[in-house]
Amino acid sequence: AQSVTQLGSHVSVSEGALVLLRCNYSSSVPPYLFWYVQYPNQGLQLLLKYTTGATLVKGINGFEAEFKKSETSFHLTKPSAHMSDAAEYFCAVINSGGSNYKLTFGKGTLLTVNP
Amino acid sequence: EPEVTQTPSHQVTQMGQEVILRCVPISNHLYFYWYRQILGQKVEFLVSFYNNEISEKSEIFDDQFSVERPDGSNFTLKIRSTKLEDSAMYFCASSQHTNTEAFFGQGTRLTVV
Repeated sequence: AQSVTQLGSHVSVSEGALVLLRCNYSSSVPPYLFWYVQYPNQGLQLLLKYTTGATLVKGINGFEAEFKKSETSFHLTKPSAHMSDAAEYFCAVINSGGSNYKLTFGKGTLLTVNP
Repeated sequence: EPEVTQTPSHQVTQMGQEVILRCVPISNHLYFYWYRQILGQKVEFLVSFYNNEISEKSEIFDDQFSVERPDGSNFTLKIRSTKLEDSAMYFCASSQHTNTEAFFGQGTRLTVV
C-alpha cells in the first residue's frame, strides 16, 4: 500500500521568501509523484510530476520538486513566494506498477503568503 | 485548453434522497475517476472506470454508490440514499492512459441536510 505524509498542515511565509512544502511517501514499488494546487473554490491543478528520469522536476508558476529516493521525499520549493501562491497544496503518489491511475493524496498544506 | 467540467457546482439535498453528480471528461481520455474531499480532510479515491466498467473501487464506494457513462460523453456518480456524512466536495478526473496525468474538474460541493 502507498501513503503520503505532508508535514505541516499550514505554512506561512512572507512575500519574496522561500517556499518549502514537505512531502514524504511510502510505496512498495517505484512511485510516480505529483503536486497539485487547489485555489479557493477551484479544482485541483497539476503543478508538477515525477515519473522517471531527472529527479529535479520543474513545474508551473516557478515551483520545482526533487525526488529523493533515499529519503522517500518529494518536497516542493519555490525561491520567492508571491501573493498569488496562496492556496492549498497536495502531494500525491501512484503505484507505477498499477493498472490504474489511483492517486493517494496527502492531507494537504495550506500556504499563506504575507505581504 | 480541454478541461473536465462538472455540474452542478453545488448541490443541496435532503438526507435519504438520491443525487446524481455529472461530469464531462476530456474527449479523448479513456480513464475516468471520482474522488471526494470531506471538509478539512484529504482527497480520497472513490472509483475508477475504464471500458464501460469499474476497474477499481475503494471501501468508501459501497452499494449506495454507482457510476455510469450513459452516452459516451457524460460520466455520472449516483448516490442512492444520501447520508449526512456524504457531504463533501466530489471531484471527477480523467486521463488518457494510466501513466499520464489526471485532469480534475472543479468539483461539486454536495451538502446533505
